Amino acid sequence: NAGVTQTPKFQVLKTGQSMTLQCAQDMNHNSMYWYRQDPGMGLRLIYYSASEGTTDKGEVPNGYNVSRLNKREFSLRLESAAPSQTSVYFCASSASPGQGLLYAGYFGPGTRLTVL
Amino acid sequence: GENVEQHPSTLSVQEGDSAVIKCTYSDSASNYFPWYKQELGKRPQLIIDIRSNVGEKKDQRIAVTLNKTAKHFSLHITETQPEDSAVYFCAAHSGGGADGLTFGKGTHLIIQP
Repeated sequence: NAGVTQTPKFQVLKTGQSMTLQCAQDMNHNSMYWYRQDPGMGLRLIYYSASEGTTDKGEVPNGYNVSRLNKREFSLRLESAAPSQTSVYFCASSASPGQGLLYAGYFGPGTRLTVL
Repeated sequence: GENVEQHPSTLSVQEGDSAVIKCTYSDSASNYFPWYKQELGKRPQLIIDIRSNVGEKKDQRIAVTLNKTAKHFSLHITETQPEDSAVYFCAAHSGGGADGLTFGKGTHLIIQP
């Protein structure tokens, strides 16, 4: 099993450009998440998807959109990138309470994004 | 929403000594508390977790304790080794939903040789 995978690993954008971060998991988890990690701020939730077909805002959703393409894939889109979105982005997945599995969140390797 | 406070932000201990990292949470409905270890440039990895119906859990040199009344939980690492050097994050999750974890801001653990 690959676990949680993300692409790309690194990206440099100019202010105003758009891009999509891709995430996929092969653990049959219902729930998927996007976090951003900034120095001294820990990990903050951007959006999550409790199950296929649903998405909800997290703590810091402004400037982002998401798509839960199917059970395996959850993408994060920046429509008009800003320097404040320079960060490391982590995708994660977990079993939901109804799946009868441990909740624990499993993280992808991260995408290091720089917006100039 | 949930708020998780983590202390200290940096902890330096001698190799072989014990390390303790403490977290408090605000939402009494939270019922799951994982700890993650993140090495430089790597992803956070789950090292131990505890549910609210358990007061203590141990896995070799790592243990976690939970005090629901006081709403705090702690990570204990005994006989520390150089490979324990990393940033450790605590987190909390409210029961019944799949709305993600709330993380503490992290503790940079430094093991001095």
